[in-house]
Amino acid sequence: GAGVSQSPRYKVAKRGQDVALRCDPISGHVSLFWYQQALGQGPEFLTYFQNEAQLDKSGLPSDRFFAERPEGSVSTLKIQRTQQEDSAVYLCASSLNIAGTRSDTQYFGPGTRLTVL
Amino acid sequence: AQRVTQPEKLLSVFKGAPVELKCNYSYSGSPELFWYVQYSRQRLQLLLRHISRESIKGFTADLNKGETSFHLKKPFAQEEDSAMYYCALSFFGTYKYIFGTGTRLKVLA
Repeated sequence: GAGVSQSPRYKVAKRGQDVALRCDPISGHVSLFWYQQALGQGPEFLTYFQNEAQLDKSGLPSDRFFAERPEGSVSTLKIQRTQQEDSAVYLCASSLNIAGTRSDTQYFGPGTRLTVL
Repeated sequence: AQRVTQPEKLLSVFKGAPVELKCNYSYSGSPELFWYVQYSRQRLQLLLRHISRESIKGFTADLNKGETSFHLKKPFAQEEDSAMYYCALSFFGTYKYIFGTGTRLKVLA
């Protein structure tokens, strides 16, 4: 079946531009996560959605980062006024059940590689 | 703060040799530990989780709460095991996974 998909796969932005990264989770998955992976590092948690509710956004590095999942399926991560330090791979993951009680398997997308010049 | 440490950035072994990828964690409660693998040009995927206590592709990992470790082991490495391996921690009451920095395993012919 179809896994988690992300688009675009690659994005080059000039410093100061706004970008929007899309995630299509596995159909029926309740939980959706965004991670940021800098070069040579492991993924770092950004935010979590349970259906359309954003229950944890503690990992968002600044108020330039905003995520939404308005209908409980597709999610968009928006970065305003991009900076060079935003250059990273942005990973989306989804899982079938509600997170926070017992950790469910997270299925990852291929990621979007963002380069800010 | 919770943390996952993978001390080796790169581990090279010969085909048929035993492999041990180290993972130590920092958490005082009851953790859930995972190993994720990323093969070349593929996405991150779950290899195994400690609560399953299973062997996947010949790999096993035992949670040692005394040493706060969850090392990944395989008795005989294969070339197709070459990949990036990430250890991850989660626990009750959190939504996030905390990942280590990863270890690149290279299995040499």
